[in-house]
Amino acid sequence: DQQVKQNSPSLSVQEGRISILNCDYTNSMFDYFLWYKKYPAEGPTFLISISSIKDKNEDGRFTVFLNKSAKHLSLHIVPSQPGDSAVYFCAASVSGGSNYKLTFGKGTLLTVNP
Amino acid sequence: DADVTQTPRNRITKTGKRIMLECSQTKGHDRMYWYRQDPGLGLRLIYYSFDVKDINKGEISDGYSVSRQAQAKFSLSLESAIPNQTALYFCATSVGGQGIYEQYFGPGTRLTVT
Repeated sequence: DQQVKQNSPSLSVQEGRISILNCDYTNSMFDYFLWYKKYPAEGPTFLISISSIKDKNEDGRFTVFLNKSAKHLSLHIVPSQPGDSAVYFCAASVSGGSNYKLTFGKGTLLTVNP
Repeated sequence: DADVTQTPRNRITKTGKRIMLECSQTKGHDRMYWYRQDPGLGLRLIYYSFDVKDINKGEISDGYSVSRQAQAKFSLSLESAIPNQTALYFCATSVGGQGIYEQYFGPGTRLTVT
């Protein structure tokens, strides 16, 4: 049973436009969410996170939105740049005793075209 | 210098061989993790360690073993490699404590079992 779902394997956008990457989860116990970016031949790098007590977190060009009732989060990148082309993983965790465990989605390949 | 390093970066081995993947970190983190990534799948947790004396199985530990030689070193072993262990392997670290903390990943080891 896949608890974190990224239903779009790939996304292509033009430079300067907005990129929206989506993530759905099924486990209502998840209360902390993270986005990672991965370039080829490199490990994933942490991008941005959000706690369930918030519905929005912003860091420069990156904003994560959380809709708890819909069990849905999204990552917005504005404006998109060619260097943003990478695989983006959504991950979720439960605070408390199992706070070490990250459950990852399958990833979305973002391509930003010049 | 990279904070989390993995050796080797690439390895081809034969079925039945024993192989060890090594991970070192200079971040001073207590927690270390081993993940594998297969094409089209997210990262799945193999083993994790909260300190030198603490080793725990993750969701896919069968066929693997680990050793935490020091706070900074965490090795993953395949005692008798099989072809379905062909994957990309990542080591990660995080601080300990009660909160949710992002994990920092190494560059990965691409393992091929023929």
